[in-house]
Amino acid sequence: SQQGEEDPQALSIQEGENATMNCSYKTSINNLQWYRQNSGRGLVHLILIRSNEREKHSGRLRVTLDTSKKSSSLLITASRAADTASYFCATDANDYKLSFGAGTTVTVRA
Amino acid sequence: DAGVIQSPRHEVTEMGQEVTLRCKPISGHDYLFWYRQTMMRGLELLIYFNNNVPIDDSGMPEDRFSAKMPNASFSTLKIQPSEPRDSAVYFCASSPGTSGGAIQETQYFGPGTRLLVL
Repeated sequence: SQQGEEDPQALSIQEGENATMNCSYKTSINNLQWYRQNSGRGLVHLILIRSNEREKHSGRLRVTLDTSKKSSSLLITASRAADTASYFCATDANDYKLSFGAGTTVTVRA
Repeated sequence: DAGVIQSPRHEVTEMGQEVTLRCKPISGHDYLFWYRQTMMRGLELLIYFNNNVPIDDSGMPEDRFSAKMPNASFSTLKIQPSEPRDSAVYFCASSPGTSGGAIQETQYFGPGTRLLVL
């Protein structure tokens, strides 16, 4: 069963704009991870944030985690056409087993 | 490292046939995961192994599905007999585990096997 639920389901933005997507989950976690999937490819890990962290950055990515609200957000700044992909959050309850959400499909228009 | 390797990349078979999907994890990784992805159900974890031992197979749909990991560098997912509803993309992923330090929980996915059962 899916624990993480992303919002929105789809997002279309202009190149150079920022893209924000959210993830909500139901049970306690050890960490939350974000993955990207380009069409027809496997998932690629983007960033991991642990339950005792509130914010993390990696290049143009910024992830926040609010354990009191059981939610996380992924911000992609200055988007590029290459950022067009589906983005998934995944939660780990401390057993290495990830529960993935349904994903947000991001389209970056040139 | 070559990453996670899966074969075949595409498989078309007829209902009732046996299908075997193969996976070679990244060398040194302790965990191996099999997922299935469909439009309707998203990404589902089928089974995962730690040091070649199955830990949780609660996601395996039914007895038609079986998975093995005879050694640290090879795993198979078998469907026998296959049915049209098994059509999906099957992913294998591996994770460093306790040997991975700060990235121990990160999963590395293979390119997937696109299965079509007619």
